[in-house]
Amino acid sequence: GQQVMQIPQYQHVQEGEDFTTYCNSSTTLSNIQWYKQRPGGHPVFLIQLVKSGEVKKQKRLTFQFGEAKKNSSLHITATQTTDVGTYFCAGPRAGGTSYGKLTFGQGTILTVHP
Amino acid sequence: DADVTQTPRNRITKTGKRIMLECSQTKGHDRMYWYRQDPGLGLRLIYYSFDVKDINKGEISDGYSVSRQAQAKFSLSLESAIPNQTALYFCATSARRLRDTTDTQYFGPGTRLTVL
Repeated sequence: GQQVMQIPQYQHVQEGEDFTTYCNSSTTLSNIQWYKQRPGGHPVFLIQLVKSGEVKKQKRLTFQFGEAKKNSSLHITATQTTDVGTYFCAGPRAGGTSYGKLTFGQGTILTVHP
Repeated sequence: DADVTQTPRNRITKTGKRIMLECSQTKGHDRMYWYRQDPGLGLRLIYYSFDVKDINKGEISDGYSVSRQAQAKFSLSLESAIPNQTALYFCATSARRLRDTTDTQYFGPGTRLTVL
């Protein structure tokens, strides 16, 4: 079945440092979505990328979707303590019977030290 | 998201007990999902429903059952709870889209279940 892997599993940074998490799928994705879960909270949608090679920015966050639509990355510039949480990538497998379903990566837990 | 509610928020039960987790939504979405979250394993899909008459197994459905009582309500049952079902359970919804696309999912606040 489809697998979505994320690395690293944990990342500890000092406030002001940059952070990147990577997402790799075993199958081509029709789109990639990113979610953030604050400690004690629930996953909240951040962004969706659809096109091959697409890059989107949200303030200090930059999201990329690979040319082959099998990998993605999230980069945070100059982390702040408000960035703390777990970041998940998720995607539906392109084609087949997977429409409407997301496969989530294991998540990257980000800790920011002030 | 306040539009998706889950009850109870916390539950402690004993091995062998039957447990029902409930999810309600006011977003008007057709699609509803149940996920389980365990440390290091991310979110794993238990069951999903694209409308009231459509129920599908996810990747880890063994030991679980669901009921879609109405468009807005989707319940998850553990017929005979066991300790390895201790986890954080999330309900989610999404809107219906064209085939081969997936809309974003909106999660409830979660239910923390402990099976002793």
